[in-house]
Amino acid sequence: EAQVTQNPRYLITVTGKKLTVTCSQNMNHEYMSWYRQDPGLGLRQIYYSMNVEVTDKGDVPEGYKVSRKEKRNFPLILESPSPNQTSLYFCASSSLSGLLNYNEQFFGPGTRLTVL
Amino acid sequence: SQQGEEDPQALSIQEGENATMNCSYKTSINNLQWYRQNSGRGLVHLILIRSNEREKHSGRLRVTLDTSKKSSSLLITASRAADTASYFCATVSGGYNKLIFGAGTRLAVHP
Repeated sequence: EAQVTQNPRYLITVTGKKLTVTCSQNMNHEYMSWYRQDPGLGLRQIYYSMNVEVTDKGDVPEGYKVSRKEKRNFPLILESPSPNQTSLYFCASSSLSGLLNYNEQFFGPGTRLTVL
Repeated sequence: SQQGEEDPQALSIQEGENATMNCSYKTSINNLQWYRQNSGRGLVHLILIRSNEREKHSGRLRVTLDTSKKSSSLLITASRAADTASYFCATVSGGYNKLIFGAGTRLAVHP
């Protein structure tokens, strides 16, 4: 089954304790992206990757890191989490075919992160 | 940056009624997409309309796009309780690598 998986689904941590949220897709997609969702703000893009070893900042990259060593994986790293990073996080992937007029993204189930 | 803004923020209707949600955006776009999110779950792509299209149908969904007004509407006909979810519009403009989402419309369909 084609899917995007994220782990963990729920995480409660404390300020300053490094954490990693994993994302994996089995659709051989080139493009992967991380979003955070906050009430009243919709989804905002954190980082994205066009392909292996190619990453770039989205709209709200501060406090986050990513890496893309393999095509299928795109982990999100919080080196020193803070309470304002409490949010619902989504990973998404997409193929690059039909670039300009086709950009459906497939979303993972989400990771609910609470930073105390 | 928030490109799309949905209206209304919340909508409550009875089963069988039609639900209409609107989305306005600020800059020119390549395409506009609608996504659905069940509570606490990931987003699911519903329908995409390109900038040179004015109307598109998919099952009980009808999407319109008015690029002169920079607005789109999503109509769900004959709604069901299972349609209860949040609905988001998202735009693709300029580069193909970014979807910009609005804050969403929460739809509640009562049996």
